[in-house]
Order: sequence, then C-alpha cells, then structure tokens
Amino acid sequence: GNSVTQMEGPVTLSEEAFLTINCTYTATGYPSLFWYVQYPGEGLQLLLKATKADDKGSNKGFEATYRKETTSFHLEKGSVQVSDSAVYFCALSDGASGSRLTFGEGTQLTVNP
Amino acid sequence: NAGVTQTPKFQVLKTGQSMTLQCAQDMNHNSMYWYRQDPGMGLRLIYYSASEGTTDKGEVPNGYNVSRLNKREFSLRLESAAPSQTSVYFCASSVDPGIPGNEQFFGPGTRLTVL
Repeated sequence: GNSVTQMEGPVTLSEEAFLTINCTYTATGYPSLFWYVQYPGEGLQLLLKATKADDKGSNKGFEATYRKETTSFHLEKGSVQVSDSAVYFCALSDGASGSRLTFGEGTQLTVNP
Repeated sequence: NAGVTQTPKFQVLKTGQSMTLQCAQDMNHNSMYWYRQDPGMGLRLIYYSASEGTTDKGEVPNGYNVSRLNKREFSLRLESAAPSQTSVYFCASSVDPGIPGNEQFFGPGTRLTVL
C-alpha cells in the first residue's frame, strides 16, 4: 500500500534560517505529491503540489521537487519567518480510490524571532 | 462562500453515547472525505464519498458510519463512542477525484473527547 514518511520533529529555527523538511514515499504507479500546512487551531490548507517527476511546486517562498528516482518530495524555504510556525504534512494521492490522500506524520515547525 | 463547514467545533461524550458530526461544502464539489488526526500519526482516512450516492471505507472505518445526504452534506456517525475515538475530526472536499493533483479543501475540525 501507499505510505509517506516525514523527518522526525519538532523543528525549531531562528528567523531567516534555511528550512528543509524531508519526505519520502512508497506508492504504486505515478502519484501526485502535496505539502499541506496547518496553522494553530485551523484545518489543513494546500501549500504546494507536484503531479509528475521533476515537477517543482512552489508557493509563499516554499519549494519542493518531485524526485521519482529517490521517491522524495522534500520541502525547502530559504529564509523562514515567525509566521511560518505551523505543522507541515507531506501527502500523496495515487488517483485511484476517490483521490484519497495518504499523509505523513506531520512536522511541527517553530520559528523564533 | 464559506468553503467547508463542520459542526460542532467541540464535543465531550461519555463511553457508549452516540453522536453525528456534520459537514457541508458550498463549492459544488463531487467528493467528500472524513479524516481523524491523532498525535504523531498524521491524518487517517475514515470514509470517503467519491460522488453523491456512493461511500467507501478508508483506512480506519471501524466504529463509524457515514451518510452522503446530498451533494453538499456528508455526515459521520459514532454509534457507541469509545475512548479510542478521542481525536480531532476533519472533513474535506474536492472537485473531481480523477484529476491528477486534485486539491482537497478542509474544514476547521471537530475536537471530540470520549470519557
């Protein structure tokens, strides 16, 4: 079956530091890959996505590249802000079964001023 | 345009009680989903409805039932609540399950505690 593994957290950074959150996956076929973000007390919202190998998703300064050879979709940001403090979820959809999402465990990011 | 709405926001139940979590979307989406979120486990799919009139089990369906009342509404029922069902429940919807990269839109969640 499908699975997603994220780096263990939580992650604490100072403002303007570089961020990497690792994500690897196992899936059959050619899944679509997503990063969702959850701010405190809220539901999840889509941060970025990629639908085929070598695609780069980007939004709000965050980037992730779909690497089929390493089955990875690592999230990066060059300079984090306090407002980026949230929980980040990597997820995949294989397009079957109603496009159900398979999520990683989530990574709590805290950015200090 | 409210997006995905869920009621209630918070609920406390005693073991054995029943309740229904309500979810509605106003985006004319075809598919709807129920997830539960537990610490260290991400979100896990309970049930989903790919289109009006259909429902299917997800990863953790035991102890739950669902009803796709119409295209807008998708409810989740706990017939006999157990402490293991203490969790945060999220409803989501999406336009078309067949499109690659199909985005799901999430509601604000219901925090349920079973004593």
